Amino acid sequence: GAGVSQSPSNKVTEKGKDVELRCDPISGHTALYWYRQRLGQGLEFLIYFQGNSAPDKSGLPSDRFSAERTGESVSTLTIQRTQQEDSAVYLCASSLGGGRIPGELFFGEGSRLTVL
Amino acid sequence: KQEVTQIPAALSVPEGENLVLNCSFTDSAIYNLQWFRQDPGKGLTSLLLIQSSQREQTSGRLNASLDKSSGRSTLYIAASQPGDSATYLCAVRGSGGSQGNLIFGKGTKLSVKP
Repeated sequence: GAGVSQSPSNKVTEKGKDVELRCDPISGHTALYWYRQRLGQGLEFLIYFQGNSAPDKSGLPSDRFSAERTGESVSTLTIQRTQQEDSAVYLCASSLGGGRIPGELFFGEGSRLTVL
Repeated sequence: KQEVTQIPAALSVPEGENLVLNCSFTDSAIYNLQWFRQDPGKGLTSLLLIQSSQREQTSGRLNASLDKSSGRSTLYIAASQPGDSATYLCAVRGSGGSQGNLIFGKGTKLSVKP
C-alpha cells in the first residue's frame, strides 16, 4: 500500500480480554517497529522486526505481550488478559532495511486501545 | 548508550516568527537523523531525514542541520504558522545497540499563536 496501515484504529475492550492489533507495512520494507504511547507521554519502544525475526524484543513490558510477523509483511501485536494500564496508542512503523542499513521511518496512524 | 535530548520541551511563539528546535545526542556514531511532527491523537509524520554525510536538508519552510561531531541537530522553521503547532520529535539511527538502532527524543511541543 501507499503507507503504513494499522487496524483497528480504535479498540475498546474489557479488562481481562485479549486483543490483536495489526500492522501492514509499506511494501518492500523489511524493518518493522512497534511503539506504545500513553496519553501525554513519549514513544515507548516495544519490539523491532528485521524480516520475520525479532532481533530486539526488549521493550515488551510483560509476557502478556507478544508479536509476530509473516515474512516481510503483516505484523500482529497481541496483548493477553488486558489491564487498564495497557490503554495507549500503539504505533507501528516500517523502513527499508534496519540494523546497519539506514532507512527513513514511516509511521501508521496508530491503534488506540482503551481497556475498561 | 545513545541518549537523545530535545530542548525546549515546550515552546510558544507568535505567528510569523522564525524558530529553532534543538536535538542533541551523546554518541556521534550515527547513520542518520530524522525529524518528525506529531499532531494530537495522530501518528508521526516524517519531515526530514539527514544522512550522516550530509550537513542539512530543506523542505519548504523547514531546514534541518546536522553537526555530528558536536552531537547536535537543529530544525529551523521559517515564518511560523498556527498549522505548525504540533510536537516535533527527532530520532537518531546509530551504529549499534538495540531497538533497531533507533533512539527517539521526548519531543518539543510547539504552539504558534495567531
